[in-house]
Amino acid sequence: QSVLTQPRSVSGSPGQSVTISCTGRSSDVGGYNYVSWLQQYPGKAPKLMLFDVGKRPSGVPDRFSGSKYGNTASLTISGLQAEDEADYYCCSYAGSYTWVFGGGTKVTVL
Amino acid sequence: EVQLVESGGGLVQPGGSLRLSCEATGFDFNIYWMHWVRQAPGKGLVWVSRINSAGSNTTYADSVKGRFTISRDNAEDTLYLQMNSLRVDDTAVYYCVRDTKYQLQSWGQGTLVTVSP
Repeated sequence: QSVLTQPRSVSGSPGQSVTISCTGRSSDVGGYNYVSWLQQYPGKAPKLMLFDVGKRPSGVPDRFSGSKYGNTASLTISGLQAEDEADYYCCSYAGSYTWVFGGGTKVTVL
Repeated sequence: EVQLVESGGGLVQPGGSLRLSCEATGFDFNIYWMHWVRQAPGKGLVWVSRINSAGSNTTYADSVKGRFTISRDNAEDTLYLQMNSLRVDDTAVYYCVRDTKYQLQSWGQGTLVTVSP
């Protein structure tokens, strides 16, 4: 059982928006703005999509956005595209130089 | 370009040991914290361990504490994970990851460790 709670799956049609939640505690998500989101295709290494809750690394489309309220962070993919079909994981610093992940969410493009 | 290349994975019996290596290129290895993260087959990501840039401070997940040791050689730009007393549930792909400001930024391709009788 993962420390951070994510929905197992979300889906949407091309062009629609989907939002993935990531719920933790005041000791991790709620306590720090060091929340990131990773995208992983089957058989591939994860790729950082968002850091510091909502900042995008160079090269990540602005369709990807992030936010946080209390102990819950969210990833929103706007204008969903076929290439966005993948697994998404949230990750948070949890203090004392430890980190925690969510269980992952499978995004399906209908 | 940041590159992290893991090696050392393989098949080992329960109770055995294995040492993973991660060769880093394309950045100043000696100024970055580094991590190991693992992913069991069909499962999610799990943080395993972190080491600071000098190699003087390390932290571990409870599941591996006392069995795994993270270390680094900054002269060789290489990160290590010594894994002892391996258990079947340590079976996973192990990723080497570069930290940037408390976030796991750059990932290697991973190396598979299989613990089986």
